[in-house]
Amino acid sequence: AQSVTQLGSHVSVSEGALVLLRCNYSSSVPPYLFWYVQYPNQGLQLLLKYTSAATLVKGINGFEAEFKKSETSFHLTKPSAHMSDAAEYFCAVSENSGYSTLTFGKGTMLLVSP
Amino acid sequence: EPEVTQTPSHQVTQMGQEVILRCVPISNHLYFYWYRQILGQKVEFLVSFYNNEISEKSEIFDDQFSVERPDGSNFTLKIRSTKLEDSAMYFCASRQGNSPLHFGNGTRLTVT
Repeated sequence: AQSVTQLGSHVSVSEGALVLLRCNYSSSVPPYLFWYVQYPNQGLQLLLKYTSAATLVKGINGFEAEFKKSETSFHLTKPSAHMSDAAEYFCAVSENSGYSTLTFGKGTMLLVSP
Repeated sequence: EPEVTQTPSHQVTQMGQEVILRCVPISNHLYFYWYRQILGQKVEFLVSFYNNEISEKSEIFDDQFSVERPDGSNFTLKIRSTKLEDSAMYFCASRQGNSPLHFGNGTRLTVT
């Protein structure tokens, strides 16, 4: 069985500050890991994915995430937050790159203040 | 860029009524999914559909739920007799081959 835990339902940062959204996973097989973003009134959009290649994955909008097997973590970071980054972020795990279903975390709402 | 389209964006229904949520997946995609998110909770998998049949379903997807691809473009989720606890945001998704899932904007279902 697989699961995802996202620490913090809300994270607040100032514009220009570092963004760190935490995700820990549990999986009985080598995982495939994803970050999705949901802007208000929109669907889930893929930010980035880890599929057992490089452990540091770069995504859209300046976000990146690092897979750390020893810590079972896949935290999402961005060096400098923009106001437009305000959204809800979901970490998800799959047993393979696309064939099986995704298991999502509860989501973290990122709030960016001027 | 092609999108997954869901209608309506918001549906209000009375308990016990049937509701059909509609989705138009991306045209060349072959795998279709429904997920839901109850307010404040995780996004949960409901069902996957491929080659005109259900390929996987979760415990949530009981006999009250059904899916159908009535024509070459639509993919629907039917709830036969809605309950209060069915109130949630329902997301349709599709993919092609080994690509990640592409999600629609969701339909917010409110059961009163």
